[in-house]
Amino acid sequence: EAGVAQSPRYKIIEKRQSVAFWCNPISGHATLYWYQQILGQGPKLLIQFQNNGVVDDSQLPKDRFSAERLKGVDSTLKIQPAKLEDSAVYLCASSSPGTASEQFFGPGTRLTVL
Amino acid sequence: GQNIDQPTEMTATEGAIVQINCTYQTSGFNGLFWYQQHAGEAPTFLSYNVLDGLEEKGRFSSFLSRSKGYSYLLLKELQMKDSASYLCAALEMEYGNKLVFGAGTILRVKS
Repeated sequence: EAGVAQSPRYKIIEKRQSVAFWCNPISGHATLYWYQQILGQGPKLLIQFQNNGVVDDSQLPKDRFSAERLKGVDSTLKIQPAKLEDSAVYLCASSSPGTASEQFFGPGTRLTVL
Repeated sequence: GQNIDQPTEMTATEGAIVQINCTYQTSGFNGLFWYQQHAGEAPTFLSYNVLDGLEEKGRFSSFLSRSKGYSYLLLKELQMKDSASYLCAALEMEYGNKLVFGAGTILRVKS
């Protein structure tokens, strides 16, 4: 079974530029999550999708971050414009339907904002 | 509010036993996960406790006390490859299934 795929693995941009990350979850997993992990901290949930609907985006900075999952499979997370404090690893995870299913994480995208 | 506390760092010797503690305060609590994260890699699942008590899985065991808001991860027969960050995460059911992570405990295994 293929795991969660993410691209790119690394990205370096200057502040005020835009960036987009892509995630392909495990086949059949209806729930998809985007997390932000700042160095030395645990992952923080940004947004959770169930199929192509948003379940929770309470911690997504909506003035600059956006995410979509149009066909209920792949997802993209965009930052526009980026700030220095957005430097972090962006992790995508997916899980199968169920009340307490294990979340499987992708390798992450390491973003550096200069 | 949400609060997950775990020690920042621990050091232990190869072959020994180490216990990593976690305390939590969350709303809509529905279980406690432990993940292992090697430097520069994604977190990988270790254990999930929803009922009070001890769950054993090979060299790793996890314990939960819901009344005390407390969990621990026990690692036996430590190996060098166990050097990693161990993340405690509470599952909240208020808005879907949401994992709230602690900052992680960096475990260093020395020979």
